[in-house]
Amino acid sequence: SQTIHQWPATLVQPVGSPLSLECTVEGTSNPNLYWYRQAAGRGLQLLFYSVGIGQISSEVPQNLSASRPQDRQFILSSKKLLLSDSGFYLCAWKGGSGETGELFFGEGSRLTVL
Amino acid sequence: GQNIDQPTEMTATEGAIVQINCTYQTSGFNGLFWYQQHAGEAPTFLSYNVLDGLEEKGRFSSFLSRSKGYSYLLLKELQMKDSASYLCAVMDSNYQLIWGAGTKLIIKP
Repeated sequence: SQTIHQWPATLVQPVGSPLSLECTVEGTSNPNLYWYRQAAGRGLQLLFYSVGIGQISSEVPQNLSASRPQDRQFILSSKKLLLSDSGFYLCAWKGGSGETGELFFGEGSRLTVL
Repeated sequence: GQNIDQPTEMTATEGAIVQINCTYQTSGFNGLFWYQQHAGEAPTFLSYNVLDGLEEKGRFSSFLSRSKGYSYLLLKELQMKDSASYLCAVMDSNYQLIWGAGTKLIIKP
């Protein structure tokens, strides 16, 4: 069966520090992968998605970046965090065949920037 | 612009029935999803509707009317563990998901 994991689960970082969140998927090949951010009282905001190794689409201009060095690995990074980067970050992969499969989410990473 | 509307919060009693509504305005439509999200956890998939009508899955049912841009999630025989946020999301013509802000459901004994 397919599983998805992301880490770390919780982190507190000072403004201006770097960030690296990692996500891995097991049990499937060439998945579509996604990074979302969830702010309190707002819908999930799509940050990046990837349809294959090295293929990254950015949805929102910001100081975050994403990389997909391996088929089942997706990394969210920042060189210098801002206060506004605080939030709940979710990695997901799309199940099913075709374009309309449901998303399966990792456990989430709660980032607090101080 | 694209918009998903759902109530911010609802309260219901254990054992009762509750209906959570979702209205949408999107550029195209390729299906509507409902997800459940417990506090501090990731969303989990509940249902998918792409054709008009009711889809039943145990205690949960989801209804869609494409002509009205409307869906609802019906939860029967409510249990305390159903206390969670319920997220409505619509897949647009580009197969991108547009998310509502979620409805926080509070179950009282």
